Amino acid sequence: QSALTQPPSASGSPGQSVTISCTGTSRDIGRYNYVSWYQQYPGKAPKLIVYEVSKRPSGVPDRFSGSKSGNTASLTVSGLQAEDEADYFCISYSLNDPEGVFGGGTRLTVL
Amino acid sequence: EALLVESGGGLARPGGSLTLSCAASGFSGSAMHWVRQAPGKGLEWVGRIRSKTNNYATAYATSVKGRFTISRDDSKNMAYLQMNSLKNEDTAVYYCALDLADCYSICAFDIWGQGTMVPVSS
Repeated sequence: QSALTQPPSASGSPGQSVTISCTGTSRDIGRYNYVSWYQQYPGKAPKLIVYEVSKRPSGVPDRFSGSKSGNTASLTVSGLQAEDEADYFCISYSLNDPEGVFGGGTRLTVL
Repeated sequence: EALLVESGGGLARPGGSLTLSCAASGFSGSAMHWVRQAPGKGLEWVGRIRSKTNNYATAYATSVKGRFTISRDDSKNMAYLQMNSLKNEDTAVYYCALDLADCYSICAFDIWGQGTMVPVSS
């Protein structure tokens, strides 16, 4: 059982926006601004797309944006494209816990 | 920018041992983590080793503590995951991943290796 709760699936049509939530506790998401999001295609390694809640690494399209409110972080994908169809998961820094906390992942389908 | 390349995966027997390597350019000031993913499952943290600045501190998941050991050789730009007393449930793709901020917990996995598969079966 994952410590961060994500919906198992999400979907949207091309051009639409989709938001994926990641809910934790006051020991992790609620306490620290070290929430990161990753994109993973089948059979491939994960790739960092958002770090420190809302920052994007170089090369990640600005269609991907992150935010946080209380114990819940969110990833919004705007202007959905077919290539956005992938698994997305969140990770957070955790108090006194070197292993952090992981979300179970969300499968994003572009209809 | 750092690049990570894993090697050493392959079929292992229950009770056996295997050592995975991660070649990492430009990582001496970073924490190196190992993360695994069982077939069709989510990500599971295995353990990490911090930088020399943080005394190469290690930490392990409860599921592997006492069986797995993480080490690094900064002079060779290498990190290792030694796995002993392997179990069927250790079957997974193993990734090395860098936290450039060298945090106590996980700030972010900035860079990932391509992964190496370790099936454990008799």
